[in-house]
Amino acid sequence: GDSVTQMEGPVTLSEEAFLTINCTYTATGYPSLFWYVQYPGEGLQLLLKATKADDKGSNKGFEATYRKETTSFHLEKGSVQVSDSAVYFCALRGSGNTPLVFGKGTRLSVIA
Amino acid sequence: KAGVTQTPRYLIKTRGQQVTLSCSPISGHRSVSWYQQTPGQGLQFLFEYFSETQRNKGNFPGRFSGRQFSNSRSEMNVSTLELGDSALYLCASSLLAGDSYEQYFGPGTRLTVT
Repeated sequence: GDSVTQMEGPVTLSEEAFLTINCTYTATGYPSLFWYVQYPGEGLQLLLKATKADDKGSNKGFEATYRKETTSFHLEKGSVQVSDSAVYFCALRGSGNTPLVFGKGTRLSVIA
Repeated sequence: KAGVTQTPRYLIKTRGQQVTLSCSPISGHRSVSWYQQTPGQGLQFLFEYFSETQRNKGNFPGRFSGRQFSNSRSEMNVSTLELGDSALYLCASSLLAGDSYEQYFGPGTRLTVT
């Protein structure tokens, strides 16, 4: 079945550092890909998405490009802030009546 | 517009008991999905409801059940609770069912089974 693998955390960065969180997927067909963020004590918020190959999703300085040739959707941000500290989830959703499939999540801590 | 609300936010139950969790979707949303989040297994899909009908079900035992009402509010029930059922249960709503529609998540219900 469909699956998502993302890098293990936790990831600790200093403020203004460059962030990359790796995400690869296994799926049949052409899934949509997502990054969700979960702040402490809250539910998940959609951060960005891409629905077809070579699409780039972007939001709040975060970017990810749908790479079908490498089945990847890595999350990047050029300069992280303390407020970016959260757990980040990579997810996919196949076409039709299929649920979201999530990676295990990567905890990011940004220190001032 | 109010977001997805889940009640209660925190719950402590004893093994063998049953529990009912409630989810009110965003106004106008007709699809509701439920997920279980645990440190070991991560986020796992439980079920999806649309127009009072279960459209999809994850790989969970029959002790986990759900339903959706005509006003799109949804409840999930877990019977004969086990310690392993301790988790954050997240509800998500979307305008309609299907992969084209973004899911909006509630804050979750934290269930602790002792």
